Amino acid sequence: DAGVIQSPRHEVTEMGQEVTLRCKPISGHNSLFWYRQTMMRGLELLIYFNNNVPIDDSGMPEDRFSAKMPNASFSTLKIQPSEPRDSAVYFCASSLMGFGNQPQHFGDGTRLSIL
Amino acid sequence: GENVEQHPSTLSVQEGDSAVIKCTYSDSASNYFPWYKQELGKRPQLIIDIRSNVGEKKDQRIAVTLNKTAKHFSLHITETQPEDSAVYFCAANPNFGNEKLTFGTGTRLTIIP
Repeated sequence: DAGVIQSPRHEVTEMGQEVTLRCKPISGHNSLFWYRQTMMRGLELLIYFNNNVPIDDSGMPEDRFSAKMPNASFSTLKIQPSEPRDSAVYFCASSLMGFGNQPQHFGDGTRLSIL
Repeated sequence: GENVEQHPSTLSVQEGDSAVIKCTYSDSASNYFPWYKQELGKRPQLIIDIRSNVGEKKDQRIAVTLNKTAKHFSLHITETQPEDSAVYFCAANPNFGNEKLTFGTGTRLTIIP
């Protein structure tokens, strides 16, 4: 099992630039989650998809953030334009939604630094 | 929405002793409570979870207890080892059919050799 795969692992860019984070969930999982982790705010859910459909995007901070899941094996989180306060570790997680809640498995994260 | 409080924020324990981390939640409809361990620079990893239909679950040195009446759940680690040093997060899921997890603020556990 390859686990959840995220890319890039590290991203450093200047403010105002567009940033795209990528995620490949575990094969067969039908739910995908994007989280952001900072010292100040901890681990917070940004958005999650079920069967490629966005279910809850209440955590998306503002219009600069957008997420897509064009198919069952790929999702992107885009920030445009980026700002220094977007600096954080972004995690993607996936789970197999079924009867009752199922464990979420996290990827290794993308450490994003906006200068 | 759901609110999860976690205590203590830091905990130091002598190797071989037990460690207990406690969480409370606000939404009485919550029915799933996972615990994650995160080592420095690494991803959160699920170590144990419990559902609302049971009061206790154990996996080797790790156990979780749940008190639905009081709306709190706890992580117990016995016979602690240096590799148990990490940040531990509790979480709660407020609604069946909605997989959104609300996380606690984390406990930094240090095992003193």
